[in-house]
Amino acid sequence: QAGLTQPPSVSKGLRQTATLTCIGNNNNVGYEGAAWLQQHQGHPPKLLFYRNYNRPSGISERFSASRSGNTASLTITGLQPEDEADYYCSAWDSSFSAWVFGGGTKLTVL
Amino acid sequence: EVQLVESGGGLVQPGGSLRLSCAASGFSFSSYWMSWVRQAPGKGLEWVANIKEDESAKYYVDSVKGRFTISRDNAKNSLYLQMNSLRVEDTALYYCVRSVAGFDYWGQGTLVTVSS
Repeated sequence: QAGLTQPPSVSKGLRQTATLTCIGNNNNVGYEGAAWLQQHQGHPPKLLFYRNYNRPSGISERFSASRSGNTASLTITGLQPEDEADYYCSAWDSSFSAWVFGGGTKLTVL
Repeated sequence: EVQLVESGGGLVQPGGSLRLSCAASGFSFSSYWMSWVRQAPGKGLEWVANIKEDESAKYYVDSVKGRFTISRDNAKNSLYLQMNSLRVEDTALYYCVRSVAGFDYWGQGTLVTVSS
């Protein structure tokens, strides 16, 4: 059950824009789309988006998400210190009948 | 308010067994898929298993098939994970998660440590 591919780390300056990527295939990201989660150190993850771009209530509009083919993207504008966290993508894989996660991207706000 | 509270973790020797429980409240438990997701110390997230609302479908990650069993009791608003033949590599924080096109509510997790 292969996972999704995310860059291990991204660093951006305060108030800049960060775009995180998640690469899958036709059976997962390209199938029903990706979800994005944010995890601060020592806390459970928090859902940011589901099915590519659907935002649960309470999630800041500085966060947006999209999908192009088998690649999902999460964009965070106007970076703030509290955005420093680990970000995971996830998708249902129809070939394995299993959820798969990316390895996570550690976002550092300089 | 949605709440998920896990219990049952602890220290167990390789080859041993544990049963995790998750008490759900604040939503109609019987209307949702539920999952267990784990996170080894300092590592990323790994989905372990999920179960349909009426238990008619259950899925597992390959590494736990034949060893772990997910179940639920809708009358008690509870989710379970029976873990047998535990291995050192099963050491992780185990989260109970409501699964809705993603994972929208998480518990605080219960720590399972497999060590001799």
